[in-house]
Parts: sequence; structure tokens; C-alpha cells
Amino acid sequence: DFVVTQSPLSLSVTPGEPASMSCRSSQSLLQSNGYNYLDWYLQKPGQSPQLLIYWGSSRASGVPDRFSGRGSGTDFTLKISRVEAEDVGVYYCMQALQTPYTFGQGTKLEIK
Amino acid sequence: QAQLVQSGAEVKKPGASMKVSCKASGYSFTGFYLHWVRQAPGQGLQWMGWINPKTGDTNLAQDYQGRVTMTRDTSINTAFMELSSLTSDDTAVYYCARETSRGLGGWGQGTLVTVSS
Repeated sequence: DFVVTQSPLSLSVTPGEPASMSCRSSQSLLQSNGYNYLDWYLQKPGQSPQLLIYWGSSRASGVPDRFSGRGSGTDFTLKISRVEAEDVGVYYCMQALQTPYTFGQGTKLEIK
Repeated sequence: QAQLVQSGAEVKKPGASMKVSCKASGYSFTGFYLHWVRQAPGQGLQWMGWINPKTGDTNLAQDYQGRVTMTRDTSINTAFMELSSLTSDDTAVYYCARETSRGLGGWGQGTLVTVSS
């Protein structure tokens, strides 16, 4: 199974400041079609997860452009250019290259 | 607008079985795989498997093989996930999620299943 590791496990950020979190896979998520099968999800408190980023760097419909995903192969990063209060929650990355799909442990974002 | 609506919370005894439903609306039910993901209290997300609503084919995580059954009824646009031989470790919120070509783009509201004697 692919092992997906996120860091840090928690993050406390002042509104308006940037935030960055990492996701690493035990094996490359780059398929021969050129796509990285790595998604980012945000689970806000008391809610279901919602898709933020797919293919490592493509924003899902309706996701603000302050969210960006970068990386390829085994190393990925989610950046928030200017954190807002509504961004609090747990961010999960998930590899979707091979079943069983596997999630990272999550990075909990709090607002200072 | 695509939507997934799950059945309500359940309380089960150890050793019993549970069956959660996920009703789809607003899109072609047979056009997209449905995944099941669970989340134990205070824990992260764990993928359980997917079902192809068109064919009924499933792909199940090894952790649940032998205990989980995923089915669907295309006449009512509903998928089902049944888990047997429940223990307290199965206490969790169970989610269904629709796979598009671009990730798990829509999730149900979750179903809390509590296993307690």
C-alpha cells in the first residue's frame, strides 16, 4: 500500500498570513499520462470533507484562488496565500493512483 | 445539482451488522463510481472501497475484506454499504463520495454508527 505522510500535524496562522503544508507519498503518484494522482481535501469542523485540489495542482470548482497545490512524484505542498477565518479545519491529502486509496493523517489549521 | 444523501445514525450491538444507504440525485447515478470512507471519532479518514454503480463491481480495502459488502439499486439511485461482525472499533462516521475524473468531488453528509453493548 502507498503510505502518505503529512506535516506538520498542526498549524496556527494569523489571518492574512500565508500557510503551507506538506504531503509525501512512499511511491511516485505520477502516472504515464503526466498527471499526479494526489488530491487535497478540507474537512471543516462538523462537516464532510470537500475537494480542494485534484491532480496535485488543479483547483476544484469554486475553490478560492488563494489555495494552490504544487509538487510531483512523491512530494506535494498545499499553500494558502492569505489565511482567512473560514479556512480552519483539517486538511487531508489522498493518493488516488492505486487502491487502496490512502489518506495522510491530516494537518489541522487553526487561526491565531 | 449533484447530491448524496445518506441514511440516519444507527446504534448497533457488538457482533451485529449495519447497512448504510447513499441516495444520489442530480446526476447520472451509473456514470460515476461511489466510494465509502470512514472516520473514527477524533481520527482521520480511511478509505473502505468503491462500487461501480453501472456494473456492480467493487474494489474493497483489504482491511474489510470478508466483512464489507457494497451493493446498489439502480432503480432508486442508491448505493449501500453493509459491514458485519461489528466491534467497538467500527464506531465511526461513514461517508459515501462520488468519484469524478477530478477527485472525490461530492460527499454525503455522513452516517454515525455507534457500536455499543
